[in-house]
Amino acid sequence: AQSVTQLDSHVSVSEGTPVLLRCNYSSSYSPSLFWYVQHPNKGLQLLLKYTSAATLVKGINGFEAEFKKSETSFHLTKPSAHMSDAAEYFCVVSDRAGGGNKLTFGTGTQLKVEL
Amino acid sequence: GAGVSQSPSNKVTEKGKDVELRCDPISGHTALYWYRQRLGQGLEFLIYFQGNSAPDKSGLPSDRFSAERTGGSVSTLTIQRTQQEDSAVYLCASSLREGESEAFFGQGTRLTVV
Repeated sequence: AQSVTQLDSHVSVSEGTPVLLRCNYSSSYSPSLFWYVQHPNKGLQLLLKYTSAATLVKGINGFEAEFKKSETSFHLTKPSAHMSDAAEYFCVVSDRAGGGNKLTFGTGTQLKVEL
Repeated sequence: GAGVSQSPSNKVTEKGKDVELRCDPISGHTALYWYRQRLGQGLEFLIYFQGNSAPDKSGLPSDRFSAERTGGSVSTLTIQRTQQEDSAVYLCASSLREGESEAFFGQGTRLTVV
């Protein structure tokens, strides 16, 4: 069975400072991993994805994430936060265990960016 | 279409009534997913379709919930005898193929049971 743990339900940073949103996963097989962002009253948007290629993945809006198999982690980072980054972020794992393709979402991290 | 389309965008229904939620995926996408998002919570998996078949319906909360997909395209999620705890945003997503491909989400249907 696959699962995702987002270690922080809320993260607050100042504009211009680094962002770190933590995610740990559990998967029986080699997983695909994603980060999605959900802005208020908007749909979910893919930020980036890892699919067994390069372990450091670059996404949109300056975000990146590093797949670390030894730590079963896929933390999301950004060097400098912007006010527009305030949103809810979801870490997602997908594997083919059991022949299916269920996306399993973490419970989300609400990012607040302050002036 | 250009994206995943869900209808209605909002639905208010009385407790005990049945509701149908529709999802029109991106043309050519073979995989379709339904999720539920309760207020302030993460996404809860309901059911997954590959073509017209549902390999995984383990997330359906009770036998009041059912879903079908016809022609490998449009899907309908039906909730019978709605209860107040069914109030949530129901999200549909589709992807080109199973595995690592990106899932594209619709805007959701906000269901309120009064």
